[in-house]
Amino acid sequence: SQQGEEDPQALSIQEGENATMNCSYKTSINNLQWYRQNSGRGLVHLILIRSNEREKHSGRLRVTLDTSKKSSSLLITASRAADTASYFCATDRNGNNRLAFGKGNQVVVIP
Amino acid sequence: DGGITQSPKYLFRKEGQNVTLSCEQNLNHDAMYWYRQDPGQGLRLIYYSQIVNDFQKGDIAEGYSVSREKKESFPLTVTSAQKNPTAFYLCASSLQGDGYEQYFGPGTRLTVT
Repeated sequence: SQQGEEDPQALSIQEGENATMNCSYKTSINNLQWYRQNSGRGLVHLILIRSNEREKHSGRLRVTLDTSKKSSSLLITASRAADTASYFCATDRNGNNRLAFGKGNQVVVIP
Repeated sequence: DGGITQSPKYLFRKEGQNVTLSCEQNLNHDAMYWYRQDPGQGLRLIYYSQIVNDFQKGDIAEGYSVSREKKESFPLTVTSAQKNPTAFYLCASSLQGDGYEQYFGPGTRLTVT
């Protein structure tokens, strides 16, 4: 069953703007991860946030986790054309690294 | 040059034929995974292996088989029993245990006609 579920939106923004996407899940988790996928390619890991963390930063990325609402958000600041991709959240329920992926958010950054 | 490779990039088969997709990693990872991705969809787990000579079914294992005879290799066979095999197949590997990122291969696009 799908655990992570992003808001099914396609985002189109201008270069330099911020992009925010959300992910909700149904059961308790051990950690939540965000991945990026360029068209027709494999996924690339962006950031991992554990269930006892509320916020994490990595470069231009900011991830928040609200376990009471069972949701997470990914913010990309000062977007670039190279950020054009699909972004997936994935949850690990049991700490065994068996991930459940959401359907993904497509982000288009217009130069 | 460490990484995870999948071959071939594109694969075409006739209905009723079995086909094997290759996945090799030189990252010294114990765990390996196979996912299927359909257009506009997320990834669904087919099989995973946490150690050599052991593997478990994922969410959509029917019509697929795997083997894990070597740490570096985790081939996936799409059998004729898989009703809708046309898809993008992704292999991944990771360290075993809690909270490790998965490293993905470039994928194999399988088309069955």
